[in-house]
Amino acid sequence: DIQMTQSPSSLSASVGDRVTITCRAGQSISRYLNWYQQKPGKAPKVVVYSASSLQSGVPSRFSGSGSGTDFTLTITNLQPEDFATYYCQQSYSLPRTFGQGTKVEIK
Amino acid sequence: QVQLQESGPGLVKPSQTLSLTCTVSGGSINIGAYWWSWIRQYPGKGLEWLGYIYYSGSTYYNPSLEGRVTISMDTSKNQISLKLTSVTAADTAVYYCARESASNCFDPWGQGTLVTVSS
Repeated sequence: DIQMTQSPSSLSASVGDRVTITCRAGQSISRYLNWYQQKPGKAPKVVVYSASSLQSGVPSRFSGSGSGTDFTLTITNLQPEDFATYYCQQSYSLPRTFGQGTKVEIK
Repeated sequence: QVQLQESGPGLVKPSQTLSLTCTVSGGSINIGAYWWSWIRQYPGKGLEWLGYIYYSGSTYYNPSLEGRVTISMDTSKNQISLKLTSVTAADTAVYYCARESASNCFDPWGQGTLVTVSS
């Protein structure tokens, strides 16, 4: 299985801040990396797929980058609705695996 | 717009079989280019992919489940099913069904259903 490690596990930020979340894969996964946003009581929702492609309907303040083993999700101009938990997930091989999550909290 | 909805018992006794159904609306499960997955989320929030089924009926299961899982499809009802045998308290989780497309991401997801394993 490919282990996915996110950092940090949580962070505090203010509205308007720029936030960066990192995901590291245990082996190269090319660009087969997705990012999900989850709010309390809701299912995860994809925000970025294939490392850097923005899902339809997702605001352009979200962006993803990286390839190989190191990836980042960046949120610029953080908005109140962005406070949530974010997960990375690899789709390079089976079984699919997720990172442990990064909780973005209001400072 | 495709929507998924999970259903099934919210409480299962230890050693019994957990059975859930995912009803898909707004599109057929019997077309190519989609894989239909089950994913669970533990109370501590970690996510585990359980397996998937392709429209052809072929399946792949997470080896971590050690042969306890079966995923099937009923095209006449447009449903995907999950069976997990010999459950223990460690199987307590919110269970989601989700579609994986050619973009290799899970979208959409069902709303999830909490299953508690307890006597």
